[in-house]
Amino acid sequence: DVKVTQSSRYLVKRTGEKVFLECVQDMDHENMFWYRQDPGLGLRLIYFSYDVKMKEKGDIPEGYSVSREKKERFSLILESASTNQTSMYLCASSFAGSSYEQYFGPGTRLTVT
Amino acid sequence: GNSVTQMEGPVTLSEEAFLTINCTYTATGYPSLFWYVQYPGEGLQLLLKATKADDKGSNKGFEATYRKETTSFHLEKGSVQVSDSAVYFCAQGGGADGLTFGKGTHLIIQP
Repeated sequence: DVKVTQSSRYLVKRTGEKVFLECVQDMDHENMFWYRQDPGLGLRLIYFSYDVKMKEKGDIPEGYSVSREKKERFSLILESASTNQTSMYLCASSFAGSSYEQYFGPGTRLTVT
Repeated sequence: GNSVTQMEGPVTLSEEAFLTINCTYTATGYPSLFWYVQYPGEGLQLLLKATKADDKGSNKGFEATYRKETTSFHLEKGSVQVSDSAVYFCAQGGGADGLTFGKGTHLIIQP
């Protein structure tokens, strides 16, 4: 079975802190994604990566950055956390190609106080 | 741009009722279509998919048919169970630029 793991299920941080969310997949997938999920807004794409050291902005990249140093690992960074970044963060991965589904991790619920 | 529209709910049904959750999409070309399910406190799981027109995806008693002429991918199940209570997401696309999701439909099944 494909496994996508995220470093934390729940996280509480203070405004202004630097926050790292880690995601690891074990299926040798080329593509990796970060989404945030908010009530009434569904899932929105923050960043994605289709290869090591490659990254592309999604729909809402402001306030976030990413890092992909190894194929299996994709990190989301909040340089200076703000309360409007309180959300559920979901990582996903997939093979390259338009017909392949994405596999999701369990999510990290981040609260910024 | 691409978009996916689905009924938001909540949809409340009794056990053993027939379920339909509507989903329509707008896209250039012929995207792959997906239904995902999210149980409380968990990430999204792929429920079923279809990659071309007239394909029918099916899993766990759920079905959806890729209808190009109506740009739709409605989810159906003949007899729902309490354990089907979850949030269901319709999505299109796939590949390097991510999926475009609907906003999700919260389904509540009452015993």
